[in-house]
Amino acid sequence: AQKVTQAQTEISVVEKEDVTLDCVYETRDTTYYLFWYKQPPSGELVFLIRRNSFDEQNEISGRYSWNFQKSTSSFNFTITASQVVDSAVYFCALRGPNAGNMLTFGGGTRLMVKP
Amino acid sequence: DSGVTQTPKHLITATGQRVTLRCSPRSGDLSVYWYQQSLDQGLQFLIQYYNGEERAKGNILERFSAQQFPDLHSELNLSSLELGDSALYFCASSPWGTGENEQFFGPGTRLTVL
Repeated sequence: AQKVTQAQTEISVVEKEDVTLDCVYETRDTTYYLFWYKQPPSGELVFLIRRNSFDEQNEISGRYSWNFQKSTSSFNFTITASQVVDSAVYFCALRGPNAGNMLTFGGGTRLMVKP
Repeated sequence: DSGVTQTPKHLITATGQRVTLRCSPRSGDLSVYWYQQSLDQGLQFLIQYYNGEERAKGNILERFSAQQFPDLHSELNLSSLELGDSALYFCASSPWGTGENEQFFGPGTRLTVL
């Protein structure tokens, strides 16, 4: 079975602070894919990033960066210089062949960025 | 805008009733997925269709069923509704049915069962 844990249920920061959202996963697959999605107050789920298990290179996209560490089964997400518009629920997800390629989501982290 | 459309946006109905949720995938995507988001269960995978055929099944109740039509749109049928079925139902699509594709989500249908 596969599992995704987002231990931080809620984080509150002040604008311009950096914030890291943690994600820890469990899987028996050797090849798998990790994802982050954002769910703003409007409710839709917005795809942010996909990572393959065989590519541990970290990625940066503007103020967003992702740190993938296979040794600790973690795929953490950092927002630099947070903005009010970053306020949302962020979901980490895992997909692998052992679970029929279904997307398994973590419980989500609600990020509140205050002005 | 992900390119995935879902109708209706909101649905209010009574216990025991039957409803149909509709999803149109992004142009060119062959795979459609249904998810349920509720406060107590979080985001849960229900079922996947690929090019008209069921590909994977998750925590989908027997009262629920889905299908994908030749034009690739999909419908999720929920019957004998209970209060606990109140949730946000998402449809997602991807080009293929395999793991490496990201799934793009529609705006969701919020179902309220009274």
